[in-house]
Amino acid sequence: EVQLVQSGAAVKKPGATVKISCKVSGYTLTDYFTHWVRQAPGKGLEWMGLLDHQDGETIYAEKFHGRVTITADTSADIVYMEMASLRSEDTAVYFCATLSTSWTSDYWGQGTLVTVSS
Amino acid sequence: QSALTQPASVSGSPGQSITISCTGTSSDIGTYNLVSWYQQHPGKAPKLMIYEVTQRPSGVSNRFSGSKSGNTASLTISGLQAEDEADYYCCSYAGSSTVIFGGGTKLTVL
Repeated sequence: EVQLVQSGAAVKKPGATVKISCKVSGYTLTDYFTHWVRQAPGKGLEWMGLLDHQDGETIYAEKFHGRVTITADTSADIVYMEMASLRSEDTAVYFCATLSTSWTSDYWGQGTLVTVSS
Repeated sequence: QSALTQPASVSGSPGQSITISCTGTSSDIGTYNLVSWYQQHPGKAPKLMIYEVTQRPSGVSNRFSGSKSGNTASLTISGLQAEDEADYYCCSYAGSSTVIFGGGTKLTVL
């Protein structure tokens, strides 16, 4: 059974950095890309970026370029998303998900709430 | 890059059919047959309902169907049921290994 299990909720102050983990099981990381999508309270889904596990390439949405880093520990089957210079507008639920060759997300993590507040 | 355009809300009575539109550009929907649709219930992760414009994953009801014309994709739900009440998001490949989502549509079953 494919599962993506994310780390728990986090509360951060403005300017801080958050790192969220996504532990995958039931498949090999190289079977899919992993991408990150966020959802601010009451808002829609927003694509952040992806990691191609085959060659380690990362692609980021222009909005997040330079502030978001997606990495993986392939030995432990964990994918990480780190966001720096947090601001209140980054308060959101962050999802990791698989991304297939048809650019489709069959499997999602449960989401991680990040609250940015002074 | 701006989000794909969806109506904020649609509604229908049980048994009826509704269609949700998703308008993009020639850089995304208009060029690639890589449109997917997700259903999201409150507090839950999105669930894949349609991929590659018209394909239904195993386990998804055949009441859900997708189509595309030009820069606009559509999701049709026939025989509306109470459990269909949710938010729906379209998503398209946008080239250069990027993805773009729609703003979301809230479906209310009256």
